[in-house]
Amino acid sequence: GNSVTQMEGPVTLSEEAFLTINCTYTATGYPSLFWYVQYPGEGLQLLLKATKADDKGSNKGFEATYRKETTSFHLEKGSVQVSDSAVYFCALTVYNFNKFYFGSGTKLNVKP
Amino acid sequence: DTEVTQTPKHLVMGMTNKKSLKCEQHMGHRAMYWYKQKAKKPPELMFVYSYEKLSINESVPSRFSPECPNSSLLNLHLHALQPEDSALYLCASSQGGQGTNEQFFGPGTRLTVL
Repeated sequence: GNSVTQMEGPVTLSEEAFLTINCTYTATGYPSLFWYVQYPGEGLQLLLKATKADDKGSNKGFEATYRKETTSFHLEKGSVQVSDSAVYFCALTVYNFNKFYFGSGTKLNVKP
Repeated sequence: DTEVTQTPKHLVMGMTNKKSLKCEQHMGHRAMYWYKQKAKKPPELMFVYSYEKLSINESVPSRFSPECPNSSLLNLHLHALQPEDSALYLCASSQGGQGTNEQFFGPGTRLTVL
């Protein structure tokens, strides 16, 4: 079936530290992969996406590479800011289906 | 316009009330979604409308009744809810049709059932 596994949180970092949030998936068909971010009291915002193997999605200093051989889509940022504190969700959808599969979410706390 | 709007932002209702949540998008998207999100959990899919037809119902209790009056609007009618239905209700839209399309989310309606 289709599923997403994310690393457990919360993740607590100091400002300017390097961030990695692990995400692995299982999928039937050809998945597209996404990272969404949710700030407190808000809906989900698309952070980045990758639609085929070896694609790298990037936005606002965040990056993730679609690795088919390891079925992974890890989120990275070189230098986090306090404003990056939020919950991050990894998600996948399979070609031609409208259903998204979300990971459990990882809460990131960045301290000044 | 890349926005999905939802009203109301907050809703408090009793178990015998009838209320409705509203969602609107003007991106020309043909797929629209309702999700329920409990605290510290990912969104749970409730319903999907594709080209204004209900295409997915994730075994949601009948006290939740979706409606898609046109391609821009999505409603969720609520009746005889239970306190455990208290949650953030998110609406989303995507292009729909062929391909894999990212979903755009609204800010949600925070529902409290007393």
